[in-house]
Amino acid sequence: DAKTTQPNSMESNEEEPVHLPCNHSTISGTDYIHWYLQLPSQGPEYVIHGLTSNVNNRMASLAIAEDRKSSTLILHRATLRDAAVYYCIPASGNTPLVFGKGTRLSVIA
Amino acid sequence: DAMVIQNPRYQVTQFGKPVTLSCSQTLNHNVMYWYQQKSSQAPKLLFHYYDKDFNNEADTPDNFQSRRPNTSFCFLDIRSPGLGDAAMYLCATSRDRGVNEKLFFGSGTQLSVL
Repeated sequence: DAKTTQPNSMESNEEEPVHLPCNHSTISGTDYIHWYLQLPSQGPEYVIHGLTSNVNNRMASLAIAEDRKSSTLILHRATLRDAAVYYCIPASGNTPLVFGKGTRLSVIA
Repeated sequence: DAMVIQNPRYQVTQFGKPVTLSCSQTLNHNVMYWYQQKSSQAPKLLFHYYDKDFNNEADTPDNFQSRRPNTSFCFLDIRSPGLGDAAMYLCATSRDRGVNEKLFFGSGTQLSVL
């Protein structure tokens, strides 16, 4: 299974962009990168996923490095509601998603 | 609008007393998962059902069992809960297996063991 490395925690000011990094240097060529967030006392929630090119949706953007060894989740304008733990998870074949420790994002008003 | 529903939200049980946690889904998804999340830790996969096919993780204790009587419902049975089993139990679904499939989680059941 591909391993991921994420910062334990990050801090952002409200209404500023946030770039959450993830290293996944052992990812295989067919593995997708998924991102989930988890609010306190809630189940995780899907954010975005992609394979090679950059992806955008209403929640966030995902920038995947050309060599696919890293990716960055971009929140364009952080709000207080974005304070959560963000998980970067490689998806491989039919294997269920395995969560790592994630990054705890704090947003300062 | 709730799509993955877990009941109850909070469950208290006694040490050694069997307990069952419930999960239902309105998505008609083929795959259902159970994750265990202890305080300040990441969710840990216990097992999953692909349709009626049960898939246990290698390190899931025998104390944990699961049943899926139909597409919509899945149960987690803890035969003899210990203090170390106190955790948030998360149910999730996906339409199918594969790298493109998204997980949909319920709000979880917080289990306390006295």
